[in-house]
Amino acid sequence: TQLLEQSPQFLSIQEGENLTVYCNSSSVFSSLQWYRQEPGEGPVLLVTVVTGGEVKKLKRLTFQFGDARKDSSLHITAAQPGDTGLYLCAPRWAAGNKLTFGGGTRVLVKP
Amino acid sequence: DVKVTQSSRYLVKRTGEKVFLECVQDMDHENMFWYRQDPGLGLRLIYFSYDVKMKEKGDIPEGYSVSREKKERFSLILESASTNQTSMYLCASSRTSGGAYEQFFGPGTRLTVL
Repeated sequence: TQLLEQSPQFLSIQEGENLTVYCNSSSVFSSLQWYRQEPGEGPVLLVTVVTGGEVKKLKRLTFQFGDARKDSSLHITAAQPGDTGLYLCAPRWAAGNKLTFGGGTRVLVKP
Repeated sequence: DVKVTQSSRYLVKRTGEKVFLECVQDMDHENMFWYRQDPGLGLRLIYFSYDVKMKEKGDIPEGYSVSREKKERFSLILESASTNQTSMYLCASSRTSGGAYEQFFGPGTRLTVL
């Protein structure tokens, strides 16, 4: 059984602060996706990471895939209220089209 | 604009009723998924389908069934609704190859079973 843990579960910060969200497992990921879900909507893909050690940037968001491909992090610089939402990591552990979703980190950025 | 639509945003049903949740995608995707989302538990896969009339159980299929008679439509059926099936239900679709397995989601159906 593959265990997947996201931390923290909830994060409340002021506009302009930085934050980091973590996604960890005891098993190796084939690849990993990060999604953001805003209230009343379905999740939307932010990024896919595939290679161990990979770093991808999307404006103020930086995504890192661990060297051993068992963990990933999402760092937001100078958070804005528009970054508020539920951040979900979704690894693939094997070939196929299924994803497994973490429990999510709910981020609240206060103006 | 690509779209996944779900038949209802909110639904209230009584215990024992048969419930149909419908999902339609306009992207000609091969794969379609049904998840339920509960606080702190993330999205849990109920069933998925990789082709018309094909289906596979996900992590929590008990109490649910699905139907995929056409490529664009995937239905989730609660044969006899129970209060522990009160949840947010999300439908998603994806391509089989290319697109980095991105899943496109509908807005969700919040189901309350009384």
